[in-house]
Amino acid sequence: NAGVTQTPKFRILKIGQSMTLQCTQDMNHNYMYWYRQDPGMGLKLIYYSVGAGITDKGEVPNGYNVSRSTTEDFPLRLELAAPSQTSVYFCASRGLHDETPLRNTIYFGEGSWLTVV
Amino acid sequence: QKEVEQNSGPLSVPEGAIASLNCTYSDRVSQSFFWYRQYSGKSPELIMSIYSNGDKEDGRFTAQLNKASQYVSLLIRDSQPSDSATYLCAVNPGGSYIPTFGRGTSLIVHP
Repeated sequence: NAGVTQTPKFRILKIGQSMTLQCTQDMNHNYMYWYRQDPGMGLKLIYYSVGAGITDKGEVPNGYNVSRSTTEDFPLRLELAAPSQTSVYFCASRGLHDETPLRNTIYFGEGSWLTVV
Repeated sequence: QKEVEQNSGPLSVPEGAIASLNCTYSDRVSQSFFWYRQYSGKSPELIMSIYSNGDKEDGRFTAQLNKASQYVSLLIRDSQPSDSATYLCAVNPGGSYIPTFGRGTSLIVHP
């Protein structure tokens, strides 16, 4: 049971470089999210998607872009990396109709540690 | 700006004690409330959800919700060293599937 898979797990970027964090889920979930988490801080929403072809900005979208061409994939693009983008990035998903006991369960990927130097 | 506030801690309790974690939120129309546990270097994991005023118990965990006072809490009974983690409070505004997370409270359970 793969769940939410993120790659890469670790990456070091130089200032000004660009890269894409990949995220895929195999649960046929409508909702997908990208969060970043800085040390000692909670999760800040970067972008989210309610379905294929639909994306919207979260709390901290500057410097990032996303696309959602399929239900499964939700890549996050970093353009012109800056030291302020050094963080841990989590991709997450949830289904539209959640019958699990906890309901509204959001499933997280294992995280991607990004350092910009 | 919808906010979720938590004391960052650390909260240190002895093994076997009750750990009490608190969270307040600013959006009065919030309807769904969650507690996530996050071990160091790992991703968050949902452990409790609560939707109605009152208490909800699941094993050693009890979530308490008071919408009038806009707070939600998590009690962990018989705390174990394996409970040492950061606990994130999350709140869904009314009708939204986008949770807002607090900064988390670090819990340390010492033997």
